[in-house]
Amino acid sequence: DTEVTQTPKHLVMGMTNKKSLKCEQHMGHRAMYWYKQKAKKPPELMFVYSYEKLSINESVPSRFSPECPNSSLLNLHLHALQPEDSALYLCASSQASAGTGGSPLHFGNGTRLTVT
Amino acid sequence: KNQVEQSPQSLIILEGKNCTLQCNYTVSPFSNLRWYKQDTGRGPVSLTIMTFSENTKSNGRYTATLDADTKQSSLHITASQLSDSASYICVVSTDALNFGKGTSLLVTP
Repeated sequence: DTEVTQTPKHLVMGMTNKKSLKCEQHMGHRAMYWYKQKAKKPPELMFVYSYEKLSINESVPSRFSPECPNSSLLNLHLHALQPEDSALYLCASSQASAGTGGSPLHFGNGTRLTVT
Repeated sequence: KNQVEQSPQSLIILEGKNCTLQCNYTVSPFSNLRWYKQDTGRGPVSLTIMTFSENTKSNGRYTATLDADTKQSSLHITASQLSDSASYICVVSTDALNFGKGTSLLVTP
């Protein structure tokens, strides 16, 4: 089982709903990430938190709002989503910010989101 | 334009056979290259990491190669098993992570 835990595993929400995705890791990693993955596509980076501060926002629409309450937790708050936002949302963590060395990304198993 | 190209896009092989997946990249400056395996409905898992000075690295039945001069990497799977059916993603680290689109492998009985 992965050491990065994501809840819920599945989520169906309407376009007027507000929901949150949660991610937790206890490996002492200081970088945490949100990725969006559509079917048969690679993961696309959305946000990076480094030492609990938002360091990268890949021009993600404001209907997605990340939050990092502490070094072990990462949330993604969802509001007024569109059907095209339906995807697998993956959380990942690494010892250091990715791309700066040999730290691998440890992925959770994702939340399968369907927007109706 | 994706600067990490993987081939083939998909592959079907018989159980017990070997196969080789390719990854060509143009991104720079190169830091390292990782191969990830993603089972259906799961998050990707790192298989190997290749740094500039490494040519070959094995992890069980998986062997990765890297030619930093030609900017090519391969992942060879020996004696395939049904559980090898997955998507294999090549990720090249520069100052960011650059993902390939993956190769979808299906191993059939």
